[in-house]
Order: sequence, then C-alpha cells, then structure tokens
Amino acid sequence: GENVEQHPSTLSVQEGDSAVIKCTYSDSASNYFPWYKQELGKRPQLIIDIRSNVGEKKDQRIAVTLNKTAKHFSLHITETQPEDSAVYFCAASRRGSTLGRLYFGRGTQLTVWP
Amino acid sequence: ETGVTQTPRHLVMGMTNKKSLKCEQHLGHNAMYWYKQSAKKPLELMFVYNFKEQTENNSVPSRFSPECPNSSHLFLHLHTLQPEDSALYLCASSQGSGGEETQYFGPGTRLLVL
Repeated sequence: GENVEQHPSTLSVQEGDSAVIKCTYSDSASNYFPWYKQELGKRPQLIIDIRSNVGEKKDQRIAVTLNKTAKHFSLHITETQPEDSAVYFCAASRRGSTLGRLYFGRGTQLTVWP
Repeated sequence: ETGVTQTPRHLVMGMTNKKSLKCEQHLGHNAMYWYKQSAKKPLELMFVYNFKEQTENNSVPSRFSPECPNSSHLFLHLHTLQPEDSALYLCASSQGSGGEETQYFGPGTRLLVL
C-alpha cells in the first residue's frame, strides 16, 4: 500500500516568516493530496488539496506544490500568524482505490511565535 | 461545525466494560469512517462504510465492533479494551466515491481505558 512520510515533525517560526512542510509518497498511482489542519483539541479540517494534473495551487497565504516525478508535495504558509499554530497532516490517495482510503503522514506541529 | 457530531466527547472505561461511541453526519454523505488518533502516530483508519456496507476493516482487533444502521449513523462498540486502546477516536464522512473525496471529521471521542 501507500506510504506517506512527512517532515519535519515539529516546526517553530517567528510571526511573519514562512513555513514549509514536506511530504513524500510511495505509490506512483496516487493522484489526490489533501492537507488537514488540526488545532489543539479540535477536529482535523481540510485546508487545501491538489490533484495530480496540476503542479501548484494557492489559496491566500497557503499554497501546495506537487512534483509527481519525485513523488513529493509540500505545503507553504507565508506571513505566518499565531493562529496558524496547529498540527498539519498531509495525505495521499488515488482514484479507484479502496473507498475513501486516505493515507496520512504523521503530522507536523507548527508553532508560530508572536 | 455541526456537520459531523460525535458522542460522548470523553469516555473513561475499565477493561471489562462495554461501551459504544456514536457518530452522526448531517451532510447527506454516503461514506463514513472510524479513525484512531494516538500520540505521535498518524491517523489510523479503522473501518470504512459505504451505503451502510462495510468496505474496509483495517486489521482492527475484534474488541472493536462497528455498526452502520444507515448512511447517517455510525457506531463503534467497545468491549474488553486494553490500556493501549486509549486514544482519540474520530469519525469522518465523505460524499462516497473513491479516492478524491474530501473527508469531514467529527470532534472525536477522547477514550481512556483504565
């Protein structure tokens, strides 16, 4: 099955700086890559996703890039704010796979210092 | 955030107890999932249901027994659990086709097994 590796496990940045979280996947057939944010004591929520037919997607301060050849994708957060502090999970899946099978990374604890 | 609800939010049980976790989704989705979230581990998929039919059991011990009476409700029946089963149990739902579906999570049940 798919194996998703996520780095780093913890990340601390100063408010206003950028943060980058990277994930690699093993199954070249994977074609859908969502990112979830989980604030302390809350549920994971989808913040952005990308499909394999595009290389980059942006939504305000967050962006995701995908390199299919290298089988890695990254989350970029610019102008970080304290409310960005949370655990971020990447995931991968492929159309036609076992229904709803999202393979998650281990998560990155992002802390943004004011 | 009332799309996916879970009860109870917190549960403490002994190893000989029997309890049930409940999940309800109000999004009109056809697929529902149980995940286990432990400290320092990725989200672990336990069960998948599509149109009330179980489509995946991810090698979960038999002390966890799921039930899906309809597309809106999902239960996880617990009996003779072990302390290592203490974790956050998350329910999720999605529209119900393979792979690229956004999953919406419930708030979770924090379970402590003594």
